[in-house]
Amino acid sequence: AQSVSQHNHHVILSEAASLELGCNYSYGGTVNLFWYVQYPGQHLQLLLKYFSGDPLVKGIKGFEAEFIKSKFSFNLRKPSVQWSDTAEYFCAVNAFTGGGNKLTFGTGTQLKVEL
Amino acid sequence: GAGVSQSPSNKVTEKGKDVELRCDPISGHTALYWYRQSLGQGLEFLIYFQGNSAPDKSGLPSDRFSAERTGGSVSTLTIQRTQQEDSAVYLCASSSDRYNGIQYFGAGTRLSVL
Repeated sequence: AQSVSQHNHHVILSEAASLELGCNYSYGGTVNLFWYVQYPGQHLQLLLKYFSGDPLVKGIKGFEAEFIKSKFSFNLRKPSVQWSDTAEYFCAVNAFTGGGNKLTFGTGTQLKVEL
Repeated sequence: GAGVSQSPSNKVTEKGKDVELRCDPISGHTALYWYRQSLGQGLEFLIYFQGNSAPDKSGLPSDRFSAERTGGSVSTLTIQRTQQEDSAVYLCASSSDRYNGIQYFGAGTRLSVL
């Protein structure tokens, strides 16, 4: 079964600092990769996704992620964070095992951006 | 509606009681998922419905948990004889495509078992 590891559980940054959140997955086959974000008091929403093609994908609000197949990684980056980026970030994987679009999530990273 | 709707938003129950949680997916979405979000545990897959196919129940933690989806739309997650460890936020998501569809999440039901 696939698993997803997010190594940073809590991250505190000052505004304008650069962000990189790690995500590693374990599955040797074809995968779809996602980052979801949950702002305080709001629903989980999709930040960006990778299905195929260019391994560097861009999402909403200036976020991007790079799929490195050899490292089984899909790290999330943003060059300059804002206070409004304070949220919990979840990496998720959908492995093509014939079971449809069932997602396996990491445990999440709580990001706090200070003014 | 415009998004995935879940009710109730909060549910407090006593240990041993049964609870029902409801999910109304986005109109036209054929796939529906239930997840559980516990403190420090991330999101845990529970069950998945796709059209008229048999559901994937592989994530249900015990036989106290069951779910049904009537008419290919609304789904109900039932927890029988609730235990304190069932306390969590139960999230529902729906998707328009079985394999490549993005999952859209509801706001969740926060269940507290006293």
